[in-house]
Amino acid sequence: RKEVEQDPGPFNVPEGATVAFNCTYSNSASQSFFWYRQDCRKEPKLLMSVYSSGNEDGRFTAQLNRASQYISLLIRDSKLSDSATYLCVVIMNTGFQKLVFGTGTRLLVSP
Amino acid sequence: EPEVTQTPSHQVTQMGQEVILRCVPISNHLYFYWYRQILGQKVEFLVSFYNNEISEKSEIFDDQFSVERPDGSNFTLKIRSTKLEDSAMYFCASSERQGNDEQFFGPGTRLTVL
Repeated sequence: RKEVEQDPGPFNVPEGATVAFNCTYSNSASQSFFWYRQDCRKEPKLLMSVYSSGNEDGRFTAQLNRASQYISLLIRDSKLSDSATYLCVVIMNTGFQKLVFGTGTRLLVSP
Repeated sequence: EPEVTQTPSHQVTQMGQEVILRCVPISNHLYFYWYRQILGQKVEFLVSFYNNEISEKSEIFDDQFSVERPDGSNFTLKIRSTKLEDSAMYFCASSERQGNDEQFFGPGTRLTVL
């Protein structure tokens, strides 16, 4: 089983739509969870951390379900500028902050 | 806003040659990392570095790879004898602290091995 698993997409949505991405992780001892955004041929950039209580940042909401080892990201009122690849990232309970990335889910927002 | 910088942006080399990829982490950061991303694949951890030593490395980081912080600002990744399969985007990252601290990524160096 992959350490971090995501649906690669692409998800094609119109502007204004709500879209949700899911991610599962294999190591139940994982301690920290993030969503990163990566534009084509660019570096990953932190979008938000994910907490058990759930957290929201503007149009973005992230949820963590430790029992199911499942992380989600909800984007409301999609903008053209949200088109990117969204990377689910986990810190396993080992060593010094090694980030373990999923393959990413590609989002295309069209006018 | 402080940022991680990397040079060169693109490096083309012949198989078997040595390459050195350079990074300047954010100045007050203490933890440094290299990741790579083969075209169309996921970002993979290579190595982490703290207090002038490697703190963790992946299976990818074999004897052909080495890292160094030669002075107070640069952090380098050396590949001794490049192989075709080393062709990838190499990202440097740095963070101020351990734990959940954000890792800031540089823009990457695209390495092409011919």
